[in-house]
Amino acid sequence: NAGVTQTPKFQVLKTGQSMTLQCAQDMNHEYMSWYRQDPGMGLRLIHYSVGAGITDQGEVPNGYNVSRSTTEDFPLRLLSAAPSQTSVYFCASTDRGDTQYFGPGTRLTVL
Amino acid sequence: DAKTTQPPSMDCAEGRAANLPCNHSTISGNEYVYWYRQIHSQGPQYIIHGLKNNETNEMASLIITEDRKSSTLILPHATLRDTAVYYCIVRATDSWGKLQFGAGTQVVVTP
Repeated sequence: NAGVTQTPKFQVLKTGQSMTLQCAQDMNHEYMSWYRQDPGMGLRLIHYSVGAGITDQGEVPNGYNVSRSTTEDFPLRLLSAAPSQTSVYFCASTDRGDTQYFGPGTRLTVL
Repeated sequence: DAKTTQPPSMDCAEGRAANLPCNHSTISGNEYVYWYRQIHSQGPQYIIHGLKNNETNEMASLIITEDRKSSTLILPHATLRDTAVYYCIVRATDSWGKLQFGAGTQVVVTP
């Protein structure tokens, strides 16, 4: 199993540009989540999904959209990038077990 | 705000036990205590979790006080590879996919 994969690993955007961060998991997990991590801080939940077709907001959802059309994929869309969205983004998945599995992260810089 | 309080940093000598404290005085009866760690900006990694009994696995031991208001993660024989940020997280039974991270404890293991 590849686990949780994220692409791209690095991205530089200009203010106002849009882009999609990709996340995929091959463990058939029901639950998937997106977090962001700013320097020196813990992770904060952006959006999460409890299954295909079902998403909900987390702690810091503004400026981001998500959709979950399949069990495997959970893309995160930045509609109009802002410098405040410069961060490291982590995708994670879990079933109704005890472990949340995290991807390697996408490092995003918005100029 | 995170439901847990941890010291910002601690040092540990290689080969010695590392004891990481965590306060969670507002924990509810249906909430578990989870520990994750993050090595050098990689995605967080699950370590251990517990409800009210002490737990042990191949990575660590978790000691939860009888009133459940605090806990201690024990790394029995710290190695240089244990240098990481350690997060203590309280999670409700049915909140799969939603973890609330604090700032964690930066642990540095020295030779």
